[in-house]
Amino acid sequence: TAGITQAPTSQILAAGRSMTLRCTQDMRHNAMYWYRQDLGLGLRLIHYSNTAGTTGKGEVPDGYSVSRANTDDFPLTLASAVPSQTSVYFCASSDGGQDIQYFGAGTRLSVL
Amino acid sequence: GQNIDQPTEMTATEGAIVQINCTYQTSGFNGLFWYQQHAGEAPTFLSYNVLDGLEEKGRFSSFLSRSKGYSYLLLKELQMKDSASYLCAVLDSNYQLIWGAGTKLIIKP
Repeated sequence: TAGITQAPTSQILAAGRSMTLRCTQDMRHNAMYWYRQDLGLGLRLIHYSNTAGTTGKGEVPDGYSVSRANTDDFPLTLASAVPSQTSVYFCASSDGGQDIQYFGAGTRLSVL
Repeated sequence: GQNIDQPTEMTATEGAIVQINCTYQTSGFNGLFWYQQHAGEAPTFLSYNVLDGLEEKGRFSSFLSRSKGYSYLLLKELQMKDSASYLCAVLDSNYQLIWGAGTKLIIKP
């Protein structure tokens, strides 16, 4: 079982460009999450989805958007990237709010 | 505000025991998780506590005191592969995980 797949693994992006980070899970989990991880800080929640068709804002949603058209996919879009969005982005999924979250391998994004 | 505190870095010797502490102040409490994260990799689940007391799982144990807002992760018989960051996270009243910055554990031979 693949679990959670994220793509791309890494990317260098020019400021002002748009980009979509892809996330796919094959565990049929209801909930999915996007986090960013920066040195010296804990994982911070960007957006989440408790079930297909619904999304919610996390702690740091500005500059990001998500969609959840089906159970498996949860893409994260940066409409106009800025250097402060340089980070490692992790996608995660769980069966429900109280359950263990399983993480993808991450996308390392540099915005120059 | 919500806050999770854990030491930034700890060093221990192979074969020894180490205790990593975590204190928290959150809006509500629905459980506390410990994750392990090797450098350049994804976090992986280690333990979950929702009631006070000790949960033991092989070489790893996790303790929770809700009245003190305190947890620790105990690692026994340390191995070189235990060198990693250990992340403490609390599930708040909205069922969102609030994460600490992580404790980098360095194991020396």
